[in-house]
Amino acid sequence: GESVGLHLPTLSVQEGDNSIINCAYSNSASDYFIWYKQESGKGPQFIIDIRSNMDKRQGQRVTVLLNKTVKHLSLQIAATQPGDSAVYFCAENDYGNKLVFGAGTILRVKS
Amino acid sequence: GAVVSQHPSRVICKSGTSVKIECRSLDFQATTMFWYRQFPKKSLMLMATSNEGSKATYEQGVEKDKFLINHASLTLSTLTVTSAHPEDSSFYICSAPPTSGQETQYFGPGTRLLVL
Repeated sequence: GESVGLHLPTLSVQEGDNSIINCAYSNSASDYFIWYKQESGKGPQFIIDIRSNMDKRQGQRVTVLLNKTVKHLSLQIAATQPGDSAVYFCAENDYGNKLVFGAGTILRVKS
Repeated sequence: GAVVSQHPSRVICKSGTSVKIECRSLDFQATTMFWYRQFPKKSLMLMATSNEGSKATYEQGVEKDKFLINHASLTLSTLTVTSAHPEDSSFYICSAPPTSGQETQYFGPGTRLLVL
């Protein structure tokens, strides 16, 4: 079936550097995508979303890029901080408002 | 806004007992809630969609008699793990869209279940 997957299972960055987390999706009919952050032992926290009629969306220190041609989604975090250390999931809105989650990327921020 | 709570946050039970997990939307009404299961270092797996006033919709491979879902009101959904076994030990998370039909989902803090 259709699925959403991530390229990098673990990403280590130096504090202050920019982070880029990637996600590939396979359902070309998907029109809504969300990035979530999950800290250990907690539920996922909404970060940012984007619709398929957009290529880029910016939030506070975060930017999501969508490339529909290659079915690729990325999350950019500017000036990464230790508090950004977590697992990041991309999610694709499936039919009936169901979310299909990617495998997740662990972000480790080194001080 | 859009706060979702779960209770309990952690539960340890003996094999064969049943455990009830509550999911509440604190500042909005949710006609639909979702229940997920997550194993360590794994992604979230949708178990079922909880619908207020009607039966839950289960994903393929999820036993409806094992995981009973009741959407009692517009702010409460419960998941009961019946006759729990060690393989049911997992992290259970609920979510809800803050507005009916909205695609964005906000998640509860999760419930850690350990079955001995």
